[in-house]
Amino acid sequence: EDQVTQSPEALRLQEGESSSLNCSYTVSGLRGLFWYRQDPGKGPEFLFTLYSAGEEKEKERLKATLTKKESFLHITAPKPEDSATYLCAVQGDDYGQNFVFGPGTRLSVLP
Amino acid sequence: NAGVMQNPRHLVRRRGQEARLRCSPMKGHSHVYWYRQLPEEGLKFMVYLQKENIIDESGMPKERFSAEFPKEGPSILRIQQVVRGDSAAYFCASSPVKGTGVRTEFFGPGTRLTVL
Repeated sequence: EDQVTQSPEALRLQEGESSSLNCSYTVSGLRGLFWYRQDPGKGPEFLFTLYSAGEEKEKERLKATLTKKESFLHITAPKPEDSATYLCAVQGDDYGQNFVFGPGTRLSVLP
Repeated sequence: NAGVMQNPRHLVRRRGQEARLRCSPMKGHSHVYWYRQLPEEGLKFMVYLQKENIIDESGMPKERFSAEFPKEGPSILRIQQVVRGDSAAYFCASSPVKGTGVRTEFFGPGTRLTVL
């Protein structure tokens, strides 16, 4: 069965303090790994799709990387508006190729 | 350039009543997915639909829950005889690609169901 875990569960950073979020996955035949951002009371907002190990994608202060077992979301010089829950999901060959989401990492960036 | 639309945004029902949640996918998207998010838990897949077809309902509870995506109009998630445990945020997502390929799902704002 496909599984996704994320760490840490919660992270507090000072504005400008760079860090990384981890997403570890177990999947039979990875088709894609997805990062979303979710603000309180809202739906997940798509950030990135990664397809194969070694791939990297960037958007503003965020950079996502992928290995065969995990993905990292690097946040460089975060700002308070980056505070949100970051969700990781995988789509594999099993489980009907449906998305399996991790529990998320709650990020708080303090001014 | 409207995104995925869901309504109502908030729904309050008493135990035993029916809840109907509606989802209109993004323009050009013909694949709809429903998820449930319980407090302090992750998103859980419920059902995947295309127009007039249920493709995968492996995540749907066996009783009281049903979903449809008619030829015309929005997708509907229906919960009959609601219980307190049904209280959750229900999200709809849509994608433009066939479900068997790699797809990116775009989410709506969700419907927050509260069962009294």
